[in-house]
Amino acid sequence: DAKTTQPNSMESNEEEPVHLPCNHSTISGTDYIHWYRQLPSQGPEYVIHGLTSNVNNRMASLAIAEDRKSSTLILHRATLRDAAVYYCILLNYGGSQGNLIFGKGTKLSVKP
Amino acid sequence: GAGVSQSPSNKVTEKGKDVELRCDPISGHTALYWYRQSLGQGLEFLIYFQGNSAPDKSGLPSDRFSAERTGGSVSTLTIQRTQQEDSAVYLCASSLGGTTNTDTQYFGPGTRLTVL
Repeated sequence: DAKTTQPNSMESNEEEPVHLPCNHSTISGTDYIHWYRQLPSQGPEYVIHGLTSNVNNRMASLAIAEDRKSSTLILHRATLRDAAVYYCILLNYGGSQGNLIFGKGTKLSVKP
Repeated sequence: GAGVSQSPSNKVTEKGKDVELRCDPISGHTALYWYRQSLGQGLEFLIYFQGNSAPDKSGLPSDRFSAERTGGSVSTLTIQRTQQEDSAVYLCASSLGGTTNTDTQYFGPGTRLTVL
């Protein structure tokens, strides 16, 4: 399975933008890039996904490198509620049954 | 609408006892997944149900673990002869189709299992 590499932890100040990087140098042409996050004591929740083009939704933006070997999740204005572990995951039903393979993710701390 | 629900939220049991964990997926979702998360660890895939297909059991750690999904809806994860290393949060997720790269999984709040 294709793997991702993320920093173990990052810190941000409240109301500032946050850029969470993810490297996936072995990504295949049909792998989708998904981001989930897990707030303390909760199950993971979906954040955003993309294939090649940058994507925006109400939660975040996803910037995908032209060669697709890396991507960045962008939180435009961090809030205290955004403190969570963020997981970057590659999904390809052609290579698996669709279960998500979670790495260790990036633990984001947000300071007031 | 209602999300994925799991019961019980907490379960404390003695080593060697059997436990059953329940998951109610989002109505209409054909795919259902079980994961577990040990203290301070990442999420580990256990089993996956897709419609009427045979489940993918490739993540089950031992034959003490089993799961079923009745009527394509509710699922039960059973752990027989529990061991202390089974202590973890067991998470259930469901998704609409489970067969496309754009499929989104919706997670329940989890069941925290403690084996004494």
